[in-house]
Amino acid sequence: TAGITQAPTSQILAAGRSMTLRCTQDMRHNAMYWYRQDLGLGLRLIHYSNTAGTTGKGEVPDGYSVSRANTDDFPLTLASAVPSQTSVYFCASSALAGNYNEQFFGPGTRLTVL
Amino acid sequence: GNSVTQMEGPVTLSEEAFLTINCTYTATGYPSLFWYVQYPGEGLQLLLKATKADDKGSNKGFEATYRKETTSFHLEKGSVQVSDSAVYFCVPSGGYNKLIFGAGTRLAVHP
Repeated sequence: TAGITQAPTSQILAAGRSMTLRCTQDMRHNAMYWYRQDLGLGLRLIHYSNTAGTTGKGEVPDGYSVSRANTDDFPLTLASAVPSQTSVYFCASSALAGNYNEQFFGPGTRLTVL
Repeated sequence: GNSVTQMEGPVTLSEEAFLTINCTYTATGYPSLFWYVQYPGEGLQLLLKATKADDKGSNKGFEATYRKETTSFHLEKGSVQVSDSAVYFCVPSGGYNKLIFGAGTRLAVHP
């Protein structure tokens, strides 16, 4: 099984440009998440979705937007990229929302904003 | 809010050595506790978990016990291999649908 796929694998983006990071899962999980990973800071939650049609803000949502039109897809959009958004972005999913559920992670997208 | 403290890395060991990575957490209520591992160039994957006090999670020779009295969840392995080289994250749940990630501990195992 593919699990979670992310695209692109890496991208260099000029500041001020927009970009959408794609995330697709084939596990029929209800909940999905977007994190960014920065050196020395661990993972920080950007946005989440407990179920299709709903989204919520995480710890660092500014400059990012998400949508959840269906169960499988959870794209992350940067409307006008800035260099501080240079990071590795991970999409994750869990069968259900809640405290006890394992989150499954995608392979990540490395984004560089110049 | 909930938080986690892990020993700073890198931890450098020889193959077949004993591994301990310390983890303590602060939490309100009874969080679930997870260890995630990130191999070079990959996403995170669940290594083991425990959901209540005194539970022991185990997988691939790794073990960790949920110690509520000391708010700890130390990771141990009796004999590490080169293939265990990775970054290890101790992750408490931080409320509904939230995981608390620290910076992780990098482990380097040499032949």
